[in-house]
This record gives sequence, structure tokens and C-alpha cells, in this order.
Amino acid sequence: QSVLTQPPSVSAAPGQKVTISCSGSSSNVRNNYVSWYQQLPGTAPKLLIYDNNKRPSGIPDRFSGSKSGTSATLGITGLQTGDEADYYCGTWDSSLSAVVFGGGTKLSVL
Amino acid sequence: QVQVVQSGAEVKKPGASVKVSCKASGYTFTKFYMHWVRQAPGQGLEWMGIINPTGGGTTYAQKFQGRVTMTRDTSASTVYMELRSLRSEDTAVYYCARGDGGGSHFFDYWGQGTLVSVSS
Repeated sequence: QSVLTQPPSVSAAPGQKVTISCSGSSSNVRNNYVSWYQQLPGTAPKLLIYDNNKRPSGIPDRFSGSKSGTSATLGITGLQTGDEADYYCGTWDSSLSAVVFGGGTKLSVL
Repeated sequence: QVQVVQSGAEVKKPGASVKVSCKASGYTFTKFYMHWVRQAPGQGLEWMGIINPTGGGTTYAQKFQGRVTMTRDTSASTVYMELRSLRSEDTAVYYCARGDGGGSHFFDYWGQGTLVSVSS
């Protein structure tokens, strides 16, 4: 059981937009920065979003992040088949004194 | 360019220990914390702990306290993660990941992962 809650799967057609939610609590999402990671099959996770809504160099602006209260959202526009992957949110939990992750969301681009 | 390279796969018997290394290059080793994250087969990411390469200070997830030790060798720009009293549930890919250097707790560079298999 993960501390952060994500939908197990989402799907959309190529070219469309999808959002992935990440729900937490006051001890984690509300009061700490959220980051998002993309994990392609058989590879290490890759940083997509940090500090709630910032993109590292090289990450296209099709990827966006937002946060409101105890929930964060990853948005992906102009979906491509190459976006099929598992997506994880993560943040610090002040009560646990630990980094916590969501259970991951599998994105299918149909 | 920043690189984080881990040691190779390990096969261990229950009750044994494993020590995984993680060599960093392309940046000042002591300026960024290093984290360890593991992923069991078909499962999500699980944070294990963090080491400060400057002084060697560590913080471990409660689940692993008493069973894990993270160390560093600044002369080799390498961090190590040792997990003891292995059980089958420890079978996973273990990643080291560079922390942000500040208070945001995100991971910008990841090692390639080290598969640790625990089986009798």
C-alpha cells in the first residue's frame, strides 16, 4: 500500500491529452515539493518534473506538473506511442522522514 | 556529463548480505546527496535511504533500519549500500539516484540498476 495514491492505469489515443493524479496528505504533498518520473520498460526511472511544475533540461513542454492542496497532477499532451511507460510521483513525507512514492500509473497510448 | 554507474547483478542465498556500489562522475561528488531506491519485480518504487557524501551522514527508511548500511568513499566518488539478512522478498532491482542537493528531494540522475536475486 503506497503512501501516495495514483490510478493504476490510464489510456488515450495518439495526439490526445492525459492527466495522472497523485493524492497524498498534509505531511507529504501539501507541504513538500512533488516530482514525477517516467519509467520505460526495463529501464531506470527518468525525472520528468521537479518542484511541482519545473521541467529538467531536455524534457519537452508536452509534460507539465501542477499541485493543489494534497493532490498533484502530471499532464501529457500530444501523446506519442513512445510515451507508453509507468509514471510515478514522489515527495518527502515529513511525518515518516522518508521519500514516498505513488504506486505508479501505466500509460497506454492506444 | 553526469554518470552514475552501478555494480553488476548478484545472486544470494537467504540470510546472506549483499553490497552494491554506485560510482559517480561528471560532477563534484560531495555536493549532492545520494539515495537508494529499490523496485521488486512488477512493483513500484521504494525509498531505502540517503547518504551525505560530505560527512557520510545517513538516514534510512524505518523498514530497513538495522539491516542496511550506506557508506561512501570520497576518493573514489563511490557510494555503497549493504543489505544484510537477505530474504526472498529482497529480490529487486536496486537503484542509486542523485539527490537534488537542496530540500526538494527529487532524483535527477539514476544508476542503471542492480538486480539482486535472493533464492535458496
